[in-house]
Amino acid sequence: GAVVSQHPSWVICKSGTSVKIECRSLDFQATTMFWYRQFPKQSLMLMATSNEGSKATYEQGVEKDKFLINHASLTLSTLTVTSAHPEDSSFYICSAQSGAGNTIYFGEGSWLTVV
Amino acid sequence: AQSVTQPDIHITVSEGASLELRCNYSYGATPYLFWYVQSPGQGLQLLLKYFSGDTLVQGIKGFEAEFKRSQSSFNLRKPSVHWSDAAEYFCAVGARDDKIIFGKGTRLHILP
Repeated sequence: GAVVSQHPSWVICKSGTSVKIECRSLDFQATTMFWYRQFPKQSLMLMATSNEGSKATYEQGVEKDKFLINHASLTLSTLTVTSAHPEDSSFYICSAQSGAGNTIYFGEGSWLTVV
Repeated sequence: AQSVTQPDIHITVSEGASLELRCNYSYGATPYLFWYVQSPGQGLQLLLKYFSGDTLVQGIKGFEAEFKRSQSSFNLRKPSVHWSDAAEYFCAVGARDDKIIFGKGTRLHILP
């Protein structure tokens, strides 16, 4: 079946550096990808909706200059956390969909730790 | 290993009928459990969550879910569905400082 791959699964970076997380649909074309963030003991927070070939739509309160989302192809969306701070440490997960109303698939998530 | 199973890929109910979506989990410790809904073109929306306490949890839009530890289940219910409830529903399990794992989802269809 369809698989969404997130890479890396775990990443540790130093404060002030940038880190990129990839979300890749392996056997289908994902016209829409969603990026979420989860804080411990909290539910997921939608960060942005990414449509291939267009700018991502960010949710209120999400800094678009800090969390750069690129959806340059139908199989890849990237989330770049720029100038990372320890409070950016979190679990980030993406989901992908091949079209409105079609099945949604989740990546396995990426743990980011900023030290 | 941690896992979440939603055994029903599709469910169809008539408008006004009751609904139960099944969710079973496998987790070594006391889990945190969530139900999310995703409507076409939208991101996930949290319906309800269970962390501790009363095992019957009330959520938004008239949904409720019951945590049954003995059955490792967290089924979602609604006494009377509306056409606007047609969507995809995801059960998820997580734990403090651990990652969240999603079920594969159940697509709910509503007959007029």
